[in-house]
Amino acid sequence: NAGVMQNPRHLVRRRGQEARLRCSPMKGHSHVYWYRQLPEEGLKFMVYLQKENIIDESGMPKERFSAEFPKEGPSILRIQQVVRGDSAAYFCASSPSRTDSYEQYFGPGTRLTVT
Amino acid sequence: AQSVTQLDSQVPVFEEAPVELRCNYSSSVSVYLFWYVQYPNQGLQLLLKYLSGSTLVKGINGFEAEFNKSQTSFHLRKPSVHISDTAEYFCAVKPRVSSGSARQLTFGSGTQLTVLP
Repeated sequence: NAGVMQNPRHLVRRRGQEARLRCSPMKGHSHVYWYRQLPEEGLKFMVYLQKENIIDESGMPKERFSAEFPKEGPSILRIQQVVRGDSAAYFCASSPSRTDSYEQYFGPGTRLTVT
Repeated sequence: AQSVTQLDSQVPVFEEAPVELRCNYSSSVSVYLFWYVQYPNQGLQLLLKYLSGSTLVKGINGFEAEFNKSQTSFHLRKPSVHISDTAEYFCAVKPRVSSGSARQLTFGSGTQLTVLP
């Protein structure tokens, strides 16, 4: 029973390039959450998606960041024109579709380094 | 809105000694409470959770936590730590109302537990 999968695990980009981070939720889960962990800080919520829908993007920076969760395939977090301040660990979590579901299962994270 | 405060950023402790990691939260609505552990360069693993019922909850690896509603606290404890417990520990809350925009976790800034030989 595979857990939440994220790839790549490590990603290096030069300033101005695009970063694409992928997340495959656990089998049977249709809810995906993205969190960012800056150095020496806790995780901060970015966006919550269901299949083909963005439910809550209140934590997403207004520019350069976007997320999607298509009907088929993984969820993608895209960062355009990366800057040094985007260097962080990006974690994906998933949960079942039940409204009483309380637990989120986390992936291993993608560590983005912007040079 | 919710906020979580972990009062200690670093906690060094000797092996086999007891440890308490403190967590206080603030919320205008009722919440679920969680403790997660993060080992170096890994994702988060759930240690334990409080949903309802008994205020003392037991988790994996010998950890337990006590929910105190009047003090809005959820401190994590272990009576005897091991070297392998060295990791970052995060306290988190989630609103009980699972409406569309209220499903994300709010995390504290973390406590680095270092167990010394």
